[in-house]
Amino acid sequence: GQQVMQIPQYQHVQEGEDFTTYCNSSTTLSNIQWYKQRPGGHPVFLIQLVKSGEVKKQKRLTFQFGEAKKNSSLHITATQTTDVGTYFCAGGGGTSYGKLTFGQGTILTVHP
Amino acid sequence: GAVVSQHPSWVICKSGTSVKIECRSLDFQATTMFWYRQFPKQSLMLMATSNEGSKATYEQGVEKDKFLINHASLTLSTLTVTSAHPEDSSFYICSAPIGEQFFGPGTRLTVL
Repeated sequence: GQQVMQIPQYQHVQEGEDFTTYCNSSTTLSNIQWYKQRPGGHPVFLIQLVKSGEVKKQKRLTFQFGEAKKNSSLHITATQTTDVGTYFCAGGGGTSYGKLTFGQGTILTVHP
Repeated sequence: GAVVSQHPSWVICKSGTSVKIECRSLDFQATTMFWYRQFPKQSLMLMATSNEGSKATYEQGVEKDKFLINHASLTLSTLTVTSAHPEDSSFYICSAPIGEQFFGPGTRLTVL
């Protein structure tokens, strides 16, 4: 079945440093979504990428979808303490509507 | 955005008892809902797809007789953990897709 690998598992940064997490799928995806989960909370939708090579920005966050639609990345510029949490990518592409395969997540810690 | 509620938010029960968790879409109808389980610092593992008016679709390795799912209406899906054991202790989260997935706040189950 479809597998989505995400690295790194953990990332510790100093406030102001940049951060990137990467996702790689074993199969071509119809779309990829990114979620953020704060400690003790539930995942919250950040963005969806659909097109090959697509790049989207949300303030300090930049999301990319690879040309082959098998990989994606999330880059945060100049991290802030409010960025702490776990970032998950989730790939769509199965036959069931809305069904996603989640990556393992990257736990981001930002030191002030 | 769309709102999904879950009840209870946490529950502690004795081994051998059954626990019912409710997932409601508050401002939209959901013919499909998903149930996930998440262990500490791990990713979301899809347990089953809840389908309104038909049987749930379980992921490989998930016991359908232990995790009973009922999707009785377009706004309510329930997950019943039958004969719960300590290893069933986890964070259970439901979601409903409208393009992106809207997650409920989760239910933390502790089985003593």
